[in-house]
Amino acid sequence: KNEVEQSPQNLTAQEGEFITINCSYSVGISALHWLQQHPGGGIVSLFMLSSGKKKHGRLIATINIQEKHSSLHITASHPRDSAVYICAASGYGGATNKLIFGTGTLLAVQP
Amino acid sequence: KAGVTQTPRYLIKTRGQQVTLSCSPISGHRSVSWYQQTPGQGLQFLFEYFSETQRNKGNFPGRFSGRQFSNSRSEMNVSTLELGDSALYLCASRLGASGYTFGSGTRLTVV
Repeated sequence: KNEVEQSPQNLTAQEGEFITINCSYSVGISALHWLQQHPGGGIVSLFMLSSGKKKHGRLIATINIQEKHSSLHITASHPRDSAVYICAASGYGGATNKLIFGTGTLLAVQP
Repeated sequence: KAGVTQTPRYLIKTRGQQVTLSCSPISGHRSVSWYQQTPGQGLQFLFEYFSETQRNKGNFPGRFSGRQFSNSRSEMNVSTLELGDSALYLCASRLGASGYTFGSGTRLTVV
């Protein structure tokens, strides 16, 4: 079993739909990161969360420390949101600067 | 400000050779971490350096090594290359406990 589990693996949505990607982890961590990767490889850090909720534009990330679960929401999705979204945990086992990654969610938003 | 710079962008090597990849972090960032991304294994943590010291290490064989210089630039080296080392190698820099900034990666092909 992976230490960081992500679902779904693939997601197809119509433009304008509300999207949710889920991430769960099995032990205590110091922070949960949401990353976006476009074709070609470049990774952009979207959020770093240790508690509560953060919002940036149409993106919202939440984390529930007790349930060891985080979600990334995209409101009013757009084709330019098509990318791979990856959650990653840091602080696993006390290693602050070691990221453990989920398997990623490939999102395709169709016009 | 300049982002994280990785060189070279693409590299083709033959089995048995060795390779050195370079990563220049954002000015002032002292933590540099390295990751390997393959279609089969996804993103995996290689190691992390801070102030020229390796602080964390992933589960990779000793053929994978790295170092960090006094200006925080980092290199990783892979010796005795195997076909399975073909991957996208990413580095990221970090200031304190902030989020990570990733480079565009080096795509290594071993033939």
